[in-house]
Amino acid sequence: GDSVTQMEGPVTLSEEAFLTINCTYTATGYPSLFWYVQYPGEGLQLLLKATKADDKGSNKGFEATYRKETTSFHLEKGSVQVSDSAVYFCALSDLYRDDKIIFGKGTRLHILP
Amino acid sequence: EADIYQTPRYLVIGTGKKITLECSQTMGHDKMYWYQQDPGMELHLIHYSYGVNSTEKGDLSSESTVSRIRTEHFPLTLESARPSHTSQYLCASKPGGTDTQYFGPGTRLTVL
Repeated sequence: GDSVTQMEGPVTLSEEAFLTINCTYTATGYPSLFWYVQYPGEGLQLLLKATKADDKGSNKGFEATYRKETTSFHLEKGSVQVSDSAVYFCALSDLYRDDKIIFGKGTRLHILP
Repeated sequence: EADIYQTPRYLVIGTGKKITLECSQTMGHDKMYWYQQDPGMELHLIHYSYGVNSTEKGDLSSESTVSRIRTEHFPLTLESARPSHTSQYLCASKPGGTDTQYFGPGTRLTVL
């Protein structure tokens, strides 16, 4: 079945560092890809999404590109802030199959001032 | 942006008690979901609903039950809480025909 694999954390960076969180997926259809973020004590929020190959999702300085050839959707940010400390989930959903979201296991990010 | 509410936010309860976790959304979304999030952060789908009077079990077996009598309301019930039920429970909803789920703030349940 469909699956999502993302890099294990925790990831610890200094403020203003460059961030990459790797995510790869396995899917038989043509899913949409997502990054969700969970701040401490809160539920998940959609950070960005891409619905087809070569689409780039972006929000709050984060971006990710839907790469069908490498089945990847890596999250990047050029300069992280302390406020970016959170757990990040890569996910996929195929609206035309079972319409559920499949989440990766999450990557905890710590940003040091 | 969807408004989705969960109550209580935190609950500490003794073994054997019956509890109901509330989830409500005000956007008229057809589809609603319950996830259990373990301490390692991983999310497990335990129940979902495609509309009124529709409920399905998710990918992770759960002793909880759900009901969907009204579109906006999707409560989760544990008839007899046990320490193994200690977890964070997240509710989500989405409109039909779209692929983005909107999450509530979660209920952190501790069973002593």
